[in-house]
Amino acid sequence: DTGVSQDPRHKITKRGQNVTFRCDPISEHNRLYWYRQTLGQGPEFLTYFQNEAQLEKSRLLSDRFSAERPKGSFSTLEIQRTEQGDSAMYLCASSLQGAHTEAFFGQGTRLTVV
Amino acid sequence: KQEVTQIPAALSVPEGENLVLNCSFTDSAIYNLQWFRQDPGKGLTSLLLIQSSQREQTSGRLNASLDKSSGRSTLYIAASQPGDSATYLCAVEGNTGKLIFGQGTTLQVKP
Repeated sequence: DTGVSQDPRHKITKRGQNVTFRCDPISEHNRLYWYRQTLGQGPEFLTYFQNEAQLEKSRLLSDRFSAERPKGSFSTLEIQRTEQGDSAMYLCASSLQGAHTEAFFGQGTRLTVV
Repeated sequence: KQEVTQIPAALSVPEGENLVLNCSFTDSAIYNLQWFRQDPGKGLTSLLLIQSSQREQTSGRLNASLDKSSGRSTLYIAASQPGDSATYLCAVEGNTGKLIFGQGTTLQVKP
């Protein structure tokens, strides 16, 4: 399977716990994006990487959120001290740098904070 | 600030009908526009990508058009089938590849 892979698919955690999600992009793609989607809404941009550099972060990404892409390949998204409002689908996408390239999405990680 | 709106929010049609989904955006300075399909609880599947210099793209029973100057795109689905039932999302892309999404149109095709 050469698509975008996300792990885990589902995560239930208690409020206040830390969680970490992983995304493996399509291997030749140098751009990687994280989005968050709540029920009934379209995905909202969180952050993106070009190779290992984090080039943009949304104001939605509070200081409890951190993302890394240490070697320009896979990426992790960590949420510290989770809150019920963090419950959402977290989506990862990858693409090739360029003006007219298609973004490919993973199946997402569904986070439920209880 | 770019804003994307999709109308209608939900649509129910009988099988076999042709239908049109609408997408509008406020800033015409876009690189691409993509249409996606999302099944419940799943990720997004890319359907069509229209480059800013293009007017339309076709794939099977799907046809997407783009009018940058008026900030509009439409997704036309011909001869709808129950398997087309899903949420359809449009997204516009700027120069960083970041996508700005609409809220989606949830389509139900009844047998």
